[in-house]
Amino acid sequence: AQSVTQPDIHITVSEGASLELRCNYSYGATPYLFWYVQSPGQGLQLLLKYFSGDTLVQGIKGFEAEFKRSQSSFNLRKPSVHWSDAAEYFCAVGARGTYKYIFGTGTRLKVLA
Amino acid sequence: DTAVSQTPKYLVTQMGNDKSIKCEQNLGHDTMYWYKQDSKKFLKIMFSYNNKELIINETVPNRFSPKSPDKAHLNLHINSLELGDSAVYFCASSQAGTEELFFGEGSRLTVL
Repeated sequence: AQSVTQPDIHITVSEGASLELRCNYSYGATPYLFWYVQSPGQGLQLLLKYFSGDTLVQGIKGFEAEFKRSQSSFNLRKPSVHWSDAAEYFCAVGARGTYKYIFGTGTRLKVLA
Repeated sequence: DTAVSQTPKYLVTQMGNDKSIKCEQNLGHDTMYWYKQDSKKFLKIMFSYNNKELIINETVPNRFSPKSPDKAHLNLHINSLELGDSAVYFCASSQAGTEELFFGEGSRLTVL
């Protein structure tokens, strides 16, 4: 079965601290992997994506993610969190040409000043 | 000049009514989608259109009827609204090859 698991529903970090959001997936074909961010009252915005090649991908706003095939994981990281990073983060998986993306249930990030 | 725009942003209506949500994208993309986000933030695909043809219909009740008059527009009409239809509905678009979804700001539907 195809699925995406984000084990952490809520995460709270202090401003300036490092961040790692976890994502595990189950997908039959070669996966395309994504991280999206949703600010309150807004739509989702793409942070980064992985299709192939270098397993460490850089995204916008200083985020990066690492694809680990052996662990079926695609964890999102940021070395120093800013208060404006408080939002909901979604991991998603799909495949080329399928037009069907499966989203995880999201991780809500709270940033303490 | 919003890339993916949805109207209305908020809908409050009674059970049994019919309502429509409109979506337009000015990105020149060939594929458009409707996603439903429930109260727990779970995001699930409902429909996808590629070049005005329906390509994904995820076992959505037939009270929901999407229509794509052209590549830039995808509308969603809902008949006989039920309490469980209350959610935020997101329109999105993508272009083959990039696989990146561009989302609208969502339409929050509340059924009383």
